[in-house]
Amino acid sequence: EVHLVESGGGSVQPGGSLRLSCAASGFSFNNYRMHWVRQAPGKGLVWVSLINSDGSITNYADSVKGRFTISRDNANNRLFLQMNSLRAEDTAVYYCARDQDGLGYWGQGTLVTVSS
Amino acid sequence: QSALTQPRSVSGSPGQSVAISCTGTSSDVGAYNYVSWYQQHPGKAPEVMIYDVSKRPSGVPDRFSGSKSGNTASLTISGLQAEDEADYYCCSYAGTHLVFGGGTKLTVL
Repeated sequence: EVHLVESGGGSVQPGGSLRLSCAASGFSFNNYRMHWVRQAPGKGLVWVSLINSDGSITNYADSVKGRFTISRDNANNRLFLQMNSLRAEDTAVYYCARDQDGLGYWGQGTLVTVSS
Repeated sequence: QSALTQPRSVSGSPGQSVAISCTGTSSDVGAYNYVSWYQQHPGKAPEVMIYDVSKRPSGVPDRFSGSKSGNTASLTISGLQAEDEADYYCCSYAGTHLVFGGGTKLTVL
């Protein structure tokens, strides 16, 4: 069974950093493109970033470009999102999702709160 | 990277059909047959209901169907049931990234 479990969320001051992790199990992680999607409280889904199966291609939403970095460790079945220079508007639940048949599997999300 | 346009809300009575539209541009919805739809209940992670415009994952009832014409995609839910009440989001591939719609709240009256 496919499982995606995010961790690393928490409270941070503006300008701070956090590193999110997504542990994958139940499938061949190194065969799939992966995404981060976020959802601010009471708001809609917003795509954040993607990484291809071997980590050689990454893309970012304009709102996070230059501040966030997506990466993966295929040996340990983990996806990461390094978030720097955090702003209040980055406050959201962050989901990792597997790309096949749409975003076919999602984690439960991890909450990031940016506030002074 | 502008969001796709969805109606804020739709409603219908049990047994009826509703359609949710999703309007993009010739750079996203109109360019690729990679539109997907997600259902999200409060406090839960999204679940894919339709992918590649009109394909249904196993386990999704055939009451859910998708289509596309030009720059607009649509999700139709027939035979509405109480458990269909949720938020629905469309999503399109746009070359180098994905773009979501703003979401539609479906109320089952």
